Amino acid sequence: GAVVSQHPSRVICKSGTSVKIECRSLDFQATTMFWYRQFPKQSLMLMATSNEGSKATYEQGVEKDKFLINHASLTLSTLTVTSAHPEDSSFYICSATPLGASTDTQYFGPGTRLTVL
Amino acid sequence: GQNIDQPTEMTATEGAIVQINCTYQTSGFNGLFWYQQHAGEAPTFLSYNVLDGLEEKGRFSSFLSRSKGYSYLLLKELQMKDSASYLCAVLDSNYQLIWGAGTKLIIKP
Repeated sequence: GAVVSQHPSRVICKSGTSVKIECRSLDFQATTMFWYRQFPKQSLMLMATSNEGSKATYEQGVEKDKFLINHASLTLSTLTVTSAHPEDSSFYICSATPLGASTDTQYFGPGTRLTVL
Repeated sequence: GQNIDQPTEMTATEGAIVQINCTYQTSGFNGLFWYQQHAGEAPTFLSYNVLDGLEEKGRFSSFLSRSKGYSYLLLKELQMKDSASYLCAVLDSNYQLIWGAGTKLIIKP
């Protein structure tokens, strides 16, 4: 149980285009989903926290107009990287907290590798 | 299917040594990560092993045996601040991260 999927697993796009990444909790409902960015062999950097039905809370330094987060249902959150640039190339990972659990409990997705040319 | 197993919870005493095991079955292997996650915080990178053997970094060491699908994280001279969840994650042949459920480590004085 407690499986989180991400789609796509990898994406290559041209500079200036927008890319949408989906995060789904497959066998549980998630009140809270987290979006992280990981640079090679480094810690996960929390970008934003999203709660179903409300606006996401962004961490300091993360541009909310560039990284659009929508948490439309209890099983789906999307991250859209708008007007992507090469410096946005990274590994994006989401995690989800089951309904009723504290945010200490997070199940992680497999990640989406974004390459911007 | 792909699977990572690690104990759910462990308890140890301040000043002691604890070993957290992780076994994995994945489609391919491109390295194994250990992360530390304190409650309410993002996971912090601890180690990355891709070759067999032991890598030591101060009080923390990580061991990998690819033939056995096994890794462990060794924490020495435990401090209260080491109380956290420890996550094991494997990068598979598609460079996707397969995560363990995490081991909650409780340190007692």
